[in-house]
Amino acid sequence: AQSVSQHNHHVILSEAASLELGCNYSYGGTVNLFWYVQYPGQHLQLLLKYFSGDPLVKGIKGFEAEFIKSKFSFNLRKPSVQWSDTAEYFCAVIADQTGANNLFFGTGTRLTVIP
Amino acid sequence: NAGVMQNPRHLVRRRGQEARLRCSPMKGHSHVYWYRQLPEEGLKFMVYLQKENIIDESGMPKERFSAEFPKEGPSILRIQQVVRGDSAAYFCASSPRWRPLALGADTQYFGPGTRLTVL
Repeated sequence: AQSVSQHNHHVILSEAASLELGCNYSYGGTVNLFWYVQYPGQHLQLLLKYFSGDPLVKGIKGFEAEFIKSKFSFNLRKPSVQWSDTAEYFCAVIADQTGANNLFFGTGTRLTVIP
Repeated sequence: NAGVMQNPRHLVRRRGQEARLRCSPMKGHSHVYWYRQLPEEGLKFMVYLQKENIIDESGMPKERFSAEFPKEGPSILRIQQVVRGDSAAYFCASSPRWRPLALGADTQYFGPGTRLTVL
């Protein structure tokens, strides 16, 4: 079945630690890939997105993600996290099967950064 | 430029009542998506609308759920005869246009969500 998998349900890090959140998808064909973040009490915000070109994508707040087509992966990274990065992170994919450009989401990864 | 607005933010209904959720897209956006997030799950697509048209409702339950996006006014997600299983957060997102994936789909901007609780 088509899906988006985020294997880490809850990640706890100390400030200044490096972060990598995994995301794998199972859709073939053309895809657009996204990472959204939801800070406590706030709405979903776009961190970064990829549709073509350089597979290493830079986003806001020092985040980046790498698209590896052969692994169907789009992992999110940040070299040094801050307490303010505490949030829930969602990987999402748009696949070309439906034509509606609707997002398919992973179940999310909750990041807790300890000061 | 105001973001996507949703109201109410919290809605409590008893079983059998109707729930109406409203979404006002960002200014200039004519495409609206509704997603539902059940507890401990990711967001799941429900329906995609343009002004006066339902484009894709493949994610909508077949019964009791309906959506509209009239020429004037907000998009409405309507749930008739609610049941406890409808308790969830309902998110609306808007985008300015549809683009093919090869050119990069437009970003969807999300509202704060409506948290529906069915007693």
